[in-house]
Amino acid sequence: ETGVTQTPRHLVMGMTNKKSLKCEQHLGHNAMYWYKQSAKKPLELMFVYSLEERVENNSVPSRFSPECPNSSHLFLHLHTLQPEDSALYLCASSPGESSSSGANVLTFGAGSRLTVL
Amino acid sequence: GQNIDQPTEMTATEGAIVQINCTYQTSGFNGLFWYQQHAGEAPTFLSYNVLDGLEEKGRFSSFLSRSKGYSYLLLKELQMKDSASYLCAVMDSNYQLIWGAGTKLIIKP
Repeated sequence: ETGVTQTPRHLVMGMTNKKSLKCEQHLGHNAMYWYKQSAKKPLELMFVYSLEERVENNSVPSRFSPECPNSSHLFLHLHTLQPEDSALYLCASSPGESSSSGANVLTFGAGSRLTVL
Repeated sequence: GQNIDQPTEMTATEGAIVQINCTYQTSGFNGLFWYQQHAGEAPTFLSYNVLDGLEEKGRFSSFLSRSKGYSYLLLKELQMKDSASYLCAVMDSNYQLIWGAGTKLIIKP
């Protein structure tokens, strides 16, 4: 496989459930990102990992917990979510972390569509 | 605060030309990106501008004026497959990407 792969593509969960989103990239990139995309709103950066270390956490509620076990894999663990957390969650990767270069092009996965009941 | 403005939705006709505008107010500037996102798919990179002027890439061109805080994406010879959302993003002085809400482009036969 090539590019950035996200699973599952669709997820429905109750507010008391625990689930995880998975992201995998086979591009040899060193940085990985989680974004939240809500209808008619700008992309919201949630977490950034560079060389498997978290470099950014944009005041995301603790019910979202990221994990980066290696440079190819990124997880987003979900626990006691709220209905307003329903959105498309996009994973992306880039050759380096954004501060290293201006022309830092992101490669995105197709996203995981999350619905919280 | 930092802000990116682009139209919410535009409609154009197959074979025609359309221009999608993006204006920005950011803390510094380290380049402007355009991405295309088809419904249910991943955003994909279209263009990057850091210097003023026009960058042409096939049917797509992107223009930047840093003094005006303005960019546009020009799509020529529109095809039905160009129906998608187009996302404008600016990299600020801290190399953080500031995103617009996207422009949904509808192409009619």
